[in-house]
Amino acid sequence: NAGVIQTPRHKVTGKGQEATLWCEPISGHSAVFWYRQTIVQGLEFLTYFRNQAPIDDSGMPKERFSAQMPNQSHSTLKIQSTQPQDSAVYLCASSPTEVFFGKGTRLTVV
Amino acid sequence: QQQVRQSPQSLTVWEGETAILNCSYEDSTFNYFPWYQQFPGEGPALLISIRSVSDKKEDGRFTIFFNKREKKLSLHITDSQPGDSATYFCAASAASSGSWQLIFGSGTQLTVMP
Repeated sequence: NAGVIQTPRHKVTGKGQEATLWCEPISGHSAVFWYRQTIVQGLEFLTYFRNQAPIDDSGMPKERFSAQMPNQSHSTLKIQSTQPQDSAVYLCASSPTEVFFGKGTRLTVV
Repeated sequence: QQQVRQSPQSLTVWEGETAILNCSYEDSTFNYFPWYQQFPGEGPALLISIRSVSDKKEDGRFTIFFNKREKKLSLHITDSQPGDSATYFCAASAASSGSWQLIFGSGTQLTVMP
């Protein structure tokens, strides 16, 4: 069990560019979560899927952010027209009941 | 408004001492409380969790004490080791009512001095 796999581990994008972050949940886990972590805001919930269906996206910024789960083996978080304030560590997690996190993708927008 | 609060923000103890990390919450529907340990450059790792039907959960050197009436809980780390130096997050969710979203506290940075 390799745990939740996130790629890339680090990503640098220029302001205004698009960033796509990938997550492979633990096999058999029915729920997938995306969180964002910054020094100032801490760990913030973004969105959550169960059995690939979007359940709660109440934490997603309404513009520029979108998440998909096209199959049970991966989810993506896409940020369009990235801004410096999007710089953060983006964490994916999966769950049968207990929630297990990946190592995160550190996104830096320059 | 913070729904989950942690204190202290940072804590230093000597090797072998007991570290006590505190957490409080506001939402009475919260019924599941995991604690996560995070090292620099890593994601949060589930350490121990408790459900609101219990008032204590023990796993080796880690014990959660839970007071539902006061909406408070604490994580006790006995015989602290330098390897326990990390940031600890308390989280809460209303899992039994279908809300699986975890709300995190701001964390306690623990340093264990050898």
